[in-house]
Amino acid sequence: GAGVSQSPRYKVAKRGQDVALRCDPISGHVSLFWYQQALGQGPEFLTYFQNEAQLDKSGLPSDRFFAERPEGSVSTLKIQRTQQEDSAVYLCASSYLTSLNRQGRTDTQYFGPGTRLTVL
Amino acid sequence: AQTVTQSQPEMSVQEAETVTLSCTYDTSENNYYLFWYKQPPSRQMILVIRQEAYKQQNATENRFSVNFQKAAKSFSLKISDSQLGDTAMYFCAFIHLGAGNNRKLIWGLGTSLAVNP
Repeated sequence: GAGVSQSPRYKVAKRGQDVALRCDPISGHVSLFWYQQALGQGPEFLTYFQNEAQLDKSGLPSDRFFAERPEGSVSTLKIQRTQQEDSAVYLCASSYLTSLNRQGRTDTQYFGPGTRLTVL
Repeated sequence: AQTVTQSQPEMSVQEAETVTLSCTYDTSENNYYLFWYKQPPSRQMILVIRQEAYKQQNATENRFSVNFQKAAKSFSLKISDSQLGDTAMYFCAFIHLGAGNNRKLIWGLGTSLAVNP
């Protein structure tokens, strides 16, 4: 089936503008993750959804960052009043994972192609 | 704190040869998964190989294999018969399966691998 898709692939914003980044997870995947990857760095966790519930948002760097997944499928990461330090690639990942502490193949996260955000 | 260390920022290997990328991690948990992901210049993060911590047998996927040393908290990746398409950034990562619902990946800084013709 189709993989994780993200849109737009590239976004240029002027400082102070609001942006919205979209993620379509793999159909049937329960969990959805957002990561931020600065240039030359590894990804850093932002937030995690299980279905429509946002279970962890500890990685969001400020209150300008907001994520939602209202119907438990598509997710949107919104950044308000963008700053230059927000420039990064934003990666979305999904997994077929439940809240149970279970072992098995379901803990693999599959990634989308990312959205490269450049704030001028 | 949970951390992942990749001590080799850059490596290179000749086509058809074997290369090993190192990774060490630190966690107080006993139940976790370890991963190697590959990120080519196109940026798509692709799973290379996965290891469950409770399994003693090292995972293998075709030309890719790991050397998992749980006591030493070491998880190296061996790429055999290197191909030009293996050129990419390689990230080591883990998830711990604690009682909470957080399943976030903890990442290393990556190793940039260049396969030379």
